[in-house]
Amino acid sequence: RKEVEQDPGPFNVPEGATVAFNCTYSNSASQSFFWYRQDCRKEPKLLMSVYSSGNEDGRFTAQLNRASQYISLLIRDSKLSDSATYLCVVNDAGNNRKLIWGLGTSLAVNP
Amino acid sequence: NAGVTQTPKFQVLKTGQSMTLQCAQDMNHEYMSWYRQDPGMGLRLIHYSVGAGITDQGEVPNGYNVSRSTTEDFPLRLLSAAPSQTSVYFCASSRTGQYGYTFGSGTRLTVV
Repeated sequence: RKEVEQDPGPFNVPEGATVAFNCTYSNSASQSFFWYRQDCRKEPKLLMSVYSSGNEDGRFTAQLNRASQYISLLIRDSKLSDSATYLCVVNDAGNNRKLIWGLGTSLAVNP
Repeated sequence: NAGVTQTPKFQVLKTGQSMTLQCAQDMNHEYMSWYRQDPGMGLRLIHYSVGAGITDQGEVPNGYNVSRSTTEDFPLRLLSAAPSQTSVYFCASSRTGQYGYTFGSGTRLTVV
């Protein structure tokens, strides 16, 4: 089993749709969780950290389920500019100084 | 603020050549890392540093050296380039590893 697994997609959705991505991680001792977005041929950019209580930033909501070891990202009212690859990232429980990256989920928002 | 600055943006090397990828950050971040990104492989950690004078290996360190003489700079040296090192290289920094990383814009390296 991969340490961080994501559905690669692609997800194709119309503008205004709500879309959700899930990510599972293998080590229950992991403590830090993030979502990054990466545009084609660009660097990853931090979208949001994921907290135990869940957190929201505008149209984006992140949830953490420690019991099931998964993280979710919900995007409401999708915009064309949301088209990107979304990367799930978890800290390495054996070494907090390292991050473990998922391969990403591709999202295309269509007009 | 410039954030994380990587140079060069593009480079073509011949097999066996050496070169240094430069990375500088102006955010006074202690943590810095080098990643490579290949299709289907995701981001893989090459080397990282948690402060000046402290470096450690990531999951794919072979063929690469790093040093961290200052907080700001974290160069990555390719010792003897091989075609397998053709990749996109990203440098990233963080205040601490728990606050997420800021990435540079990347170096696209081709080894022929």
